[in-house]
Amino acid sequence: GAGVSQSPRYKVAKRGQDVALRCDPISGHVSLFWYQQALGQGPEFLTYFQNEAQLDKSGLPSDRFFAERPEGSVSTLKIQRTQQEDSAVYLCASSLTNPNTEAFFGQGTRLTVV
Amino acid sequence: AQSVAQPEDQVNVAEGNPLTVKCTYSVSGNPYLFWYVQYPNRGLQFLLKYITGDNLVKGSYGFEAEFNKSQTSFHLKKPSALVSDSALYFCAVRDAGSNYQLIWGAGTKLIIKP
Repeated sequence: GAGVSQSPRYKVAKRGQDVALRCDPISGHVSLFWYQQALGQGPEFLTYFQNEAQLDKSGLPSDRFFAERPEGSVSTLKIQRTQQEDSAVYLCASSLTNPNTEAFFGQGTRLTVV
Repeated sequence: AQSVAQPEDQVNVAEGNPLTVKCTYSVSGNPYLFWYVQYPNRGLQFLLKYITGDNLVKGSYGFEAEFNKSQTSFHLKKPSALVSDSALYFCAVRDAGSNYQLIWGAGTKLIIKP
């Protein structure tokens, strides 16, 4: 596709429910990032993939959060047993090679836990 | 601690006037600095970056930013504002302990009035 695509755009989950958020990066992009953005705040780093390798997951807030990119393209961020504090916009970004180059962001998935 | 500050939640400028969106940072070592813009219902878009070299960096849509090492600032500027520049602007700095993690400011809402 022409850009980074995220689905769903909006997700309402009941507390305790598991959710899966999908990211389709730009074809051929090696680097992929997940960020969490709370209302009125800047993005906060969650995790980084280089191809299929998850090189850094230090930003994942708890062991309920899990991300994968098994074939080095599509990535999924899974949140188990969602809590209200998980409500945020989850952003995915990809860049061609060097992660310090321009990153392209998806529109994000707005997760609301009720 | 490493951080990015955008001291203004909102900046109002009349169309045709010059605009400045402020950003200051605190990071050890040489900073890699970025500006991104977020239009409503769209993903974050890269504007420009400073890695090394000239302190004045030119980017997309006529924006530029000036790196000032002594003042630890990286203010975003444009000589003549357009109504279409109205958006949310984020400054980010690469975490000195990482090759890719970015620390983001909270964002500044720029409103250009006709």
